[in-house]
Parts: sequence; structure tokens; C-alpha cells
Amino acid sequence: NAGVTQTPKFQVLKTGQSMTLQCAQDMNHEYMSWYRQDPGMGLRLIHYSVGAGITDQGEVPNGYNVSRSTTEDFPLRLLSAAPSQTSVYFCASSYGAGGLRDYGYTFGSGTRLTVV
Amino acid sequence: GDSVTQMEGPVTLSEEAFLTINCTYTATGYPSLFWYVQYPGEGLQLLLKATKADDKGSNKGFEATYRKETTSFHLEKGSVQVSDSAVYFCALSGNQGGKLIFGQGTELSVKP
Repeated sequence: NAGVTQTPKFQVLKTGQSMTLQCAQDMNHEYMSWYRQDPGMGLRLIHYSVGAGITDQGEVPNGYNVSRSTTEDFPLRLLSAAPSQTSVYFCASSYGAGGLRDYGYTFGSGTRLTVV
Repeated sequence: GDSVTQMEGPVTLSEEAFLTINCTYTATGYPSLFWYVQYPGEGLQLLLKATKADDKGSNKGFEATYRKETTSFHLEKGSVQVSDSAVYFCALSGNQGGKLIFGQGTELSVKP
């Protein structure tokens, strides 16, 4: 069981470039989320999805887009990278409302992004 | 909206010392509460959880009790080890479907 797989693990971008962070889960989880982790600020929710075709904004959505065309995949797109988006990004998934309440989210190992 | 507040770190302890990391929350209704642990260079792992008031979650010698009267979920361990050095996050899942809300994290460093 692979769990939650994130690619790439490391990425350096120039300001203004675009890219997609990939996230895939093989647990048939209904819920998926993207978080960013910055020193002293914990994890902040960027976007989340409660099922295929359904997405919503979290706490810090500006500069990011998501889509959920399949249950397994939840890519995060940076439209025009800025130095303020330098961070570690985590994708997570859960079985759904009951699963989230009972088990929380399962996390990927993260993508470390640097924007220069 | 829902929120979680943790004690600030870093916390530095000697091996075999007693650990407490405070966590308080604000939420409507009856959220589920979690502690996650993040070892250096890794993702977050679920450490323990509690889904209703007065529940005690426990794992690997760590414990936390869901106290609704004080809206708290403090993490404790009786005797820490060097291998417990990590960042610990308190989190809640409330009525805002699909969201897990995190505290800012507390870094723990255990010295031999």
C-alpha cells in the first residue's frame, strides 16, 4: 500500500514560473487536502476536496488552483510562483466525514518548494 | 471559526523527564481532537486521538485526555527519550466538513 504519494520531493522555481505539485492516494479516500508548512505557523490549509468534482478554499488559497477529476488524484497548481510561496507542501487524505472524525488525515511525505 | 492554540516551543528536556505540551481549542459542537508528530525531514504521523469528551487517547507512552470543560487536549509522557525529539501538532476536526485545523506546532528536543 503506497498511501499518499507526492511528487516531486524537491523543486526550485524562478519567480513567475508555473508548476503542478502532484498528489495521489490509493486508499479510495473521499477527502483530500493541501497544506503548507512554514516556520512558526504550523500547517495552513490551502484547498480541500470532499469528493471527485468538489473543491473548496482553505485559509490561504491565493495563488493556487486545484481540481479533482478522479478520487485518486488532487494536483495543486501554482499559477505564477512568488518567493512567498517558498514552503513545504503536504497533501493528505481521509475516508470522509466519519473517517476524518475517527482517524484524521493520512499525510504524504511533502514537497519542499523554493521560489527564487 | 475553529482554532487550536499550542504552547510555544522549543521545549528542551533531559532524557527521562516528564513532558507536557499544552493544547487548547475553540470549536462549536463536539470536535475530534488529534496529536500528530513530525520527525525531522518527514511528513506528519498520527500519534493519538480522542473523539468525545473524557476520552483518553494513548500511544507509545504518550497520553492526552479530551477535556470539554476546559477545551483542552494536553499531551503528556512520563519519561521522554531522545528518539521523541520531533515537532508535535495538536489538531481538531469539527463541523467544517473536510477540514483538519492545526495548532502552530511545538518543537521538542530531548538531550541525553
